[in-house]
Amino acid sequence: DVKVTQSSRYLVKRTGEKVFLECVQDMDHENMFWYRQDPGLGLRLIYFSYDVKMKEKGDIPEGYSVSREKKERFSLILESASTNQTSMYLCASSFSGLAAGRKETQYFGPGTRLLVL
Amino acid sequence: GQNIDQPTEMTATEGAIVQINCTYQTSGFNGLFWYQQHAGEAPTFLSYNVLDGLEEKGRFSSFLSRSKGYSYLLLKELQMKDSASYLCAVRSISLTTDSWGKFQFGAGTQVVVTP
Repeated sequence: DVKVTQSSRYLVKRTGEKVFLECVQDMDHENMFWYRQDPGLGLRLIYFSYDVKMKEKGDIPEGYSVSREKKERFSLILESASTNQTSMYLCASSFSGLAAGRKETQYFGPGTRLLVL
Repeated sequence: GQNIDQPTEMTATEGAIVQINCTYQTSGFNGLFWYQQHAGEAPTFLSYNVLDGLEEKGRFSSFLSRSKGYSYLLLKELQMKDSASYLCAVRSISLTTDSWGKFQFGAGTQVVVTP
């Protein structure tokens, strides 16, 4: 079974703190993703990594940065947490989908519910 | 950019059929996925379409028309446990990098199954 794990299920931080969210996958997937999910807005892509040290901005990268030093690990960093970053954060991974018609879905971690006070 | 639209909520009775529509606009289309998400849990994969037509998988079927930018998820013989949010997602090829397999999601359709 594919396993995607996230470092915390629940996290409470103060405004201005630096926050690290870690994600690890064990299926040798090329792609890894960070999303946030808010009521009425659905899943929004923050950053996407398609290889080690490679990244691409998603729809809402402002206030976030990422790090992918090893293939299995993708970190999301909130440089200075703000209250509007209170949300559910979901990590996912997948194969690259390079082969035409490849039915490779994303696999999600359990999520981290972050509260910024 | 991409726009993915799906209804916010649908209600149906146990045993009935419900069809959730999804329309999208994208460049570099590389597959459409449907996920189910129960409250407080992560999304789980339901179905995948990359060619036009219907894919059937037990009580769930998904349809795709690439020329119309349209998909639907059909849930038959509804059960109470099918009450969940259903997410439509499009995978695309990035034209600015060599990356393949970037996903973007609709806001989700909350399906409520009543007795």
